[in-house]
Amino acid sequence: GQSLEQPSEVTAVEGAIVQINCTYQTSGFYGLSWYQQHDGGAPTFLSYNALDGLEETGRFSSFLSRSDSYGYLLLQELQMKDSASYFCAVRGQAGTALIFGKGTTLSVSS
Amino acid sequence: DAGVIQSPRHEVTEMGQEVTLRCKPISGHNSLFWYRQTMMRGLELLIYFNNNVPIDDSGMPEDRFSAKMPNASFSTLKIQPSEPRDSAVYFCASSPGRDFGQYFGPGTRLTVT
Repeated sequence: GQSLEQPSEVTAVEGAIVQINCTYQTSGFYGLSWYQQHDGGAPTFLSYNALDGLEETGRFSSFLSRSDSYGYLLLQELQMKDSASYFCAVRGQAGTALIFGKGTTLSVSS
Repeated sequence: DAGVIQSPRHEVTEMGQEVTLRCKPISGHNSLFWYRQTMMRGLELLIYFNNNVPIDDSGMPEDRFSAKMPNASFSTLKIQPSEPRDSAVYFCASSPGRDFGQYFGPGTRLTVT
């Protein structure tokens, strides 16, 4: 079977750094993506890692280690508006649809 | 670009009625996805089209659900007859290629009473 594991909840304060981990088990691997979803809104594409290493986009970075079947999303200089759910998603094979994790709810307090 | 457009944004219907959800993908995107999201089951892929052809419909719950993509700029998801357990938010997403990020529409919140 195919599965993704990520923590259900994470809490942090403004200005802090938080890391949301994602481990996956798939029959193949063709990229790890991250999506953000605010309450009542639609998922928004954040990042995509096909190769090992760190991808940085502003305050957000995403990391992948294919040998460990593991990735993470790193959020720096947290702001209240970062409070949302974050989903990791994996594509098992080229051309197949994404498999989404259950999501991590991030709560940022002042 | 206007992004992915979905209609209606909200739908309330009675059990047994037919429901049709509509989606207009981003121009130039050749992959289209229909998802359903509930608290219990999370985000589930229902069906995926590439170049207007259904590639994977294994997520379609049962025969009551059907989806079409008659052209590159329009898709429908139909539920007939609808049941209360179909109540969920239905998202349409499009992608410029099968292996790129997906761009979601605002969703249709369906309530079946």
